[in-house]
Amino acid sequence: DIQMTQSPSTLSASVGDRVTITCRASESIGNWMAWYQQKRGKAPKLLIYRASTLETGVPSRFSGSGSGTEFTLTISSLQPDDFGTYYCQRYTSFSRSFGQGTKVDVK
Amino acid sequence: QVQLQESGPGLVKPSETLSLTCTVSGGSMRSYYWSWIRQPPGKGLEWIGYLYYTDSTNYNPSLKNRVTISVDSSKNQFSLKVNSVTAADTAVYYCARDSDYGLDVWGQGTTVTVSS
Repeated sequence: DIQMTQSPSTLSASVGDRVTITCRASESIGNWMAWYQQKRGKAPKLLIYRASTLETGVPSRFSGSGSGTEFTLTISSLQPDDFGTYYCQRYTSFSRSFGQGTKVDVK
Repeated sequence: QVQLQESGPGLVKPSETLSLTCTVSGGSMRSYYWSWIRQPPGKGLEWIGYLYYTDSTNYNPSLKNRVTISVDSSKNQFSLKVNSVTAADTAVYYCARDSDYGLDVWGQGTTVTVSS
């Protein structure tokens, strides 16, 4: 089964910072990568699909890049509403799996 | 606008079967996959499996022997059963719409505790 390795596990940042989260797949997954934001006690929210396509209504400060085995989620200027936990997810044929998550907290 | 709602018992005894239902409202189940995902307390997300609206399924290999996902198209519902539960199955369980665009619609989640 394809494994996803997400880093870092925790990231401390300030409002206005540029934030980058990385996800690596154990084998090529093309561009079948999605990113989610989860706030405490809430269901995850889709941010990015197909590695780089912004979901409708998601602010343009979020962007995704990568293909094959290495993927990145970038927040260009961190806003107060962006603190929370972020997950990558691969969705290849017949299977899905998530990264371990990255908690973005206040520096 | 499609909405999902999980329902089922919040407490299950060890060795028994966990059963949950996800009701889809505001849209059709056709042409989509429908996934179950869970999140143990304080931990990350785990994909359990999905069902295509035609009733074909695929499961996480780590859970495959204990999990069944099925559909009742007439009620716009799909269900999850996990057999022989232990404390490790205690989690928030989510249902979600699944497609080439990721998991774009989620239920609010339901907490299931395994305890005698």
